[in-house]
Amino acid sequence: EDQVTQSPEALRLQEGESSSLNCSYTVSGLRGLFWYRQDPGKGPEFLFTLYSAGEEKEKERLKATLTKKESFLHITAPKPEDSATYLCAASGGYQKVTFGIGTKLQVIP
Amino acid sequence: NAGVTQTPKFRVLKTGQSMTLLCAQDMNHEYMYWYRQDPGMGLRLIHYSVGEGTTAKGEVPDGYNVSRLKKQNFLLGLESAAPSQTSVYFCATSRTETYGYTFGSGTRLTVV
Repeated sequence: EDQVTQSPEALRLQEGESSSLNCSYTVSGLRGLFWYRQDPGKGPEFLFTLYSAGEEKEKERLKATLTKKESFLHITAPKPEDSATYLCAASGGYQKVTFGIGTKLQVIP
Repeated sequence: NAGVTQTPKFRVLKTGQSMTLLCAQDMNHEYMYWYRQDPGMGLRLIHYSVGEGTTAKGEVPDGYNVSRLKKQNFLLGLESAAPSQTSVYFCATSRTETYGYTFGSGTRLTVV
């Protein structure tokens, strides 16, 4: 059974304090690893897709990396507007996308 | 350019009542999905469609039906609502199977 586990469940950072969110996945034949941002009361917003180990993608203060077992979302010098829940999802087969529960990030001014 | 629009945004149903959730997209995407999101659980796929006139079951399809008569619309129906169907429902679209999804803003459904 495909599994996606995100850690920590919640993270509180001071503004400017860099950190990383972890997404461990167990899927047979990874077709894509996705990161989304979800603000309260809204739908998830697509951030990145990673397809193979070693791949990296960046967007503003966010950088996603991928290994054969996990993905990291690195947040550099976060700002309060980066506060949100970050979701990870892994595609392990045709229309088989497994979502993690998410990491709730709070950035304090 | 609205993207993905869900209606209604909120709804309260009594047990046994029926309703239809509408998802409309203007992105010309072939793939459309219905997910539910519950506290402490990841998003779970209810049904999906890979093109106009097609539908298929996802992970948690029981108690739901769907239709995709037009490419831009994907309807989710609850024939006889149950309290276990209290959830936030999200519609999503995608260009391809392994492309990132564009989600709607959600429908918060409460069944009492």
